[in-house]
Amino acid sequence: EVQLVESGGGLVQPGRSLRLSCAASGFSFDNYAMYWVRQLPGKGLEWVSGISWNSGGIGYADSVQGRFTISRDNAKNSLYLEMKNLRAEDTALYYCVKGSRLSTGAENWFDRWGQGTLVTVSS
Amino acid sequence: DIQMTQSPSSLSASIGDRVTITCRASQSISTSLNWYQQKPGKAPQLLIYAASSLLSGVPSRFSGSGSGTDFSLTIFSIQPEDFATYYCQQSSSSPLTFGPGTKVDIK
Repeated sequence: EVQLVESGGGLVQPGRSLRLSCAASGFSFDNYAMYWVRQLPGKGLEWVSGISWNSGGIGYADSVQGRFTISRDNAKNSLYLEMKNLRAEDTALYYCVKGSRLSTGAENWFDRWGQGTLVTVSS
Repeated sequence: DIQMTQSPSSLSASIGDRVTITCRASQSISTSLNWYQQKPGKAPQLLIYAASSLLSGVPSRFSGSGSGTDFSLTIFSIQPEDFATYYCQQSSSSPLTFGPGTKVDIK
């Protein structure tokens, strides 16, 4: 059974940093692109970042470009999101999501989702 | 970026009704369109990918169609467990954008 378990969320002050982690199991982690997708409270879904199977392809939403860094450790079946200079508008539930292909970009759909970890940015 | 819109934003239906949700892309995306279902307090789940392919295990009462810029998700004979919010998402080009969602509740 595919499992994606996020951790690392919490309450953080504006301008500070936070690192999210996602532990994957039940599938060949190094055969798939992985993503972070967030959901603002009571709102819709926003793609945040994606990383290809070998970390060779990485993309970010404009809203987080330059502040967030995605990475993965295939030996540990883990995905990460380093978030710096956090803003109130980054407050959201962050989902770790499995892609359908090796690489990011076109023709990828999100076929498995974790339960999310909540990040709250507030003073 | 490709913008996605959905209509209606919400609808009420009775058990057994046929429900149709539409999704429109700001430019042609061929059949690179996926549908997700999200129930309150739960993570989204993929229902349909590539516009019309049903994910294994998803009930056959769900159906997707469309190409280019206009797509639809139809639930034939809606069941109690289908009341949820539905999102479309384009996978034609990065960033992989979502529609704003359609909330389906019980009439």
